[in-house]
Amino acid sequence: DTGVSQNPRHKITKRGQNVTFRCDPISEHNRLYWYRQTLGQGPEFLTYFQNEAQLEKSRLLSDRFSAERPKGSFSTLEIQRTEQGDSAMYLCASSLALKPGGKETQYFGPGTRLLVL
Amino acid sequence: ILNVEQSPQSLHVQEGDSTNFTCSFPSSNFYALHWYRWETAKSPEALFVMTLNGDEKKKGRISATLNTKEGYSYLYIKGSQPEDSATYLCAFMSYGQNFVFGPGTRLSVLP
Repeated sequence: DTGVSQNPRHKITKRGQNVTFRCDPISEHNRLYWYRQTLGQGPEFLTYFQNEAQLEKSRLLSDRFSAERPKGSFSTLEIQRTEQGDSAMYLCASSLALKPGGKETQYFGPGTRLLVL
Repeated sequence: ILNVEQSPQSLHVQEGDSTNFTCSFPSSNFYALHWYRWETAKSPEALFVMTLNGDEKKKGRISATLNTKEGYSYLYIKGSQPEDSATYLCAFMSYGQNFVFGPGTRLSVLP
């Protein structure tokens, strides 16, 4: 399967613990995005990378959240000192942007569902 | 903050019925509108990218129209089948901005 993959698919943790999620994009895609989706809402943009550079971060991304894409391939999203409000589906997407400001399709992974107890 | 709305929030139709739903978005600074289908436990799947006022796109029994001047897009499903059951999301792009998703329309097609 050459689609976007995410691991783990589900994560249950206790409040205050750190968690890390991984996203493997489609191999030739240069852009990678993270979104968060809560019940009854559409996905909300968190951050995105062009190759290994993190180009934009949403105000939703508090200091407890950090994302990396060290070699311009896979990406990790870490949440430190998790809170119950962090419970959500975390989606990753990738795209092939051939020019700045493109309208290209983003291809999504299946998401990681996080539950903070 | 950009406001993207979708209606209805959910609907149930019988197999064979045709249906449609709406995505409303700001009419200024339009760049593109994307439609996705998201089945439970699967990845959101891209349906259409729409960029020009008056665009009409079709994929099998699903089609979409775009009116950028009044800020809406319609998604139509002809002859709904149970496998069409999913949440349908629209994502609006303005110049220089990333996707802003609507809350989705949850469709259930009853056999």
